[in-house]
Amino acid sequence: EPEVTQTPSHQVTQMGQEVILRCVPISNHLYFYWYRQILGQKVEFLVSFYNNEISEKSEIFDDQFSVERPDGSNFTLKIRSTKLEDSAMYFCASSAQTDNNEQFFGPGTRLTVL
Amino acid sequence: AQSVTQLDSHVSVSEGTPVLLRCNYSSSYSPSLFWYVQHPNKGLQLLLKYTSAATLVKGINGFEAEFKKSETSFHLTKPSAHMSDAAEYFCVVSDRYSSASKIIFGSGTRLSIRP
Repeated sequence: EPEVTQTPSHQVTQMGQEVILRCVPISNHLYFYWYRQILGQKVEFLVSFYNNEISEKSEIFDDQFSVERPDGSNFTLKIRSTKLEDSAMYFCASSAQTDNNEQFFGPGTRLTVL
Repeated sequence: AQSVTQLDSHVSVSEGTPVLLRCNYSSSYSPSLFWYVQHPNKGLQLLLKYTSAATLVKGINGFEAEFKKSETSFHLTKPSAHMSDAAEYFCVVSDRYSSASKIIFGSGTRLSIRP
């Protein structure tokens, strides 16, 4: 069964460093998303991406964040200069279409900023 | 704007007894509603979804949910809890007619199963 994969599973970085979180969505999906879950809090939407551009982004997704689909398979989230409060679980998701919004989630990347 | 409220942050039941996880939603248009489950240190798995077909939706692992428009509810139930059901459960709403693709998560309900 096809699934969304994410690497790494756990990333530890120093405050101020750049990190890139990687995701491989399901191959025939067209819509891609990033969410984050700070420990003990709810899952929050960050950004959606379609046709090589951002469809929507939340207030959390400020200038420190960027997304890219560098090739036909990967979907990345970059945090330019990490802050302590960026520590969270980051989930990638993809969907085949948008009208029923069934999104398939990856296992997540746990980002720890020291 | 859509929103979702999970009424219980923690539910504890005995193995073999029924499970009820409550969810109320708010949506401007006809919503799509989902329940996702998250086991410890795992990703989010779709349990079931409602997208305007039958109001009683059956999902995996014996779970089901009923869409009640008059009550704006989408409660998750299971007749008999199993130890493996212990996890975090998220009710999720999406506006099907919105151009935005995002989905809104509830705050989650942690389900504990007593032996």
